[in-house]
Amino acid sequence: KAGVTQTPRYLIKTRGQQVTLSCSPISGHRSVSWYQQTPGQGLQFLFEYFSETQRNKGNFPGRFSGRQFSNSRSEMNVSTLELGDSALYLCASSSGSARETQYFGPGTRLLVL
Amino acid sequence: AQSVTQLGSHVSVSEGALVLLRCNYSSSVPPYLFWYVQYPNQGLQLLLKYTTGATLVKGINGFEAEFKKSETSFHLTKPSAHMSDAAEYFCAVSDSPTGGSYIPTFGRGTSLIVHP
Repeated sequence: KAGVTQTPRYLIKTRGQQVTLSCSPISGHRSVSWYQQTPGQGLQFLFEYFSETQRNKGNFPGRFSGRQFSNSRSEMNVSTLELGDSALYLCASSSGSARETQYFGPGTRLLVL
Repeated sequence: AQSVTQLGSHVSVSEGALVLLRCNYSSSVPPYLFWYVQYPNQGLQLLLKYTTGATLVKGINGFEAEFKKSETSFHLTKPSAHMSDAAEYFCAVSDSPTGGSYIPTFGRGTSLIVHP
């Protein structure tokens, strides 16, 4: 099976712009979670989608949003980018038979200038 | 609430030496425990996990970890370090499902440095 894929792998944006990141889960996985990884804060949970519905949400401002499509692919959007949004954004998927285990994609490295 | 503490942000070993990365957790219910590895500019790769059953768990690349409930620990070991083991290692715990999902809490990570 192919693993979790994320596009693009690298992005450079300027403050105030918006960005959309994409994630395709492992085939058959219906849960997709997003994380932000920074040196200062470590791995922080953003949100989780299951069957096109946001099921859980972390403690991030409303500028961070996401959605999931009927094929389980997910996108996350960050509006009005700030310098502090520079991070590695990781997507993870899990299956219904092993909900406790998350499999991660390679991440999207976002740099905000 | 669950939490994870990884002792030592950096661990340095010589090639061929024992690797020991420490992880202690806090959980109010029997937890699921994980170790992930992250190589530079890559995502997290699952090394091993404890869900239920045998407390000594074997993973990929020769790593293993032992769940010790009395010590609330899940330390990661490897008998002989290779240069290719140099990476960041994350311990994670998840227990009670939230909205039907298990959202793991991650430790801050331990950077493993392997000297020739």
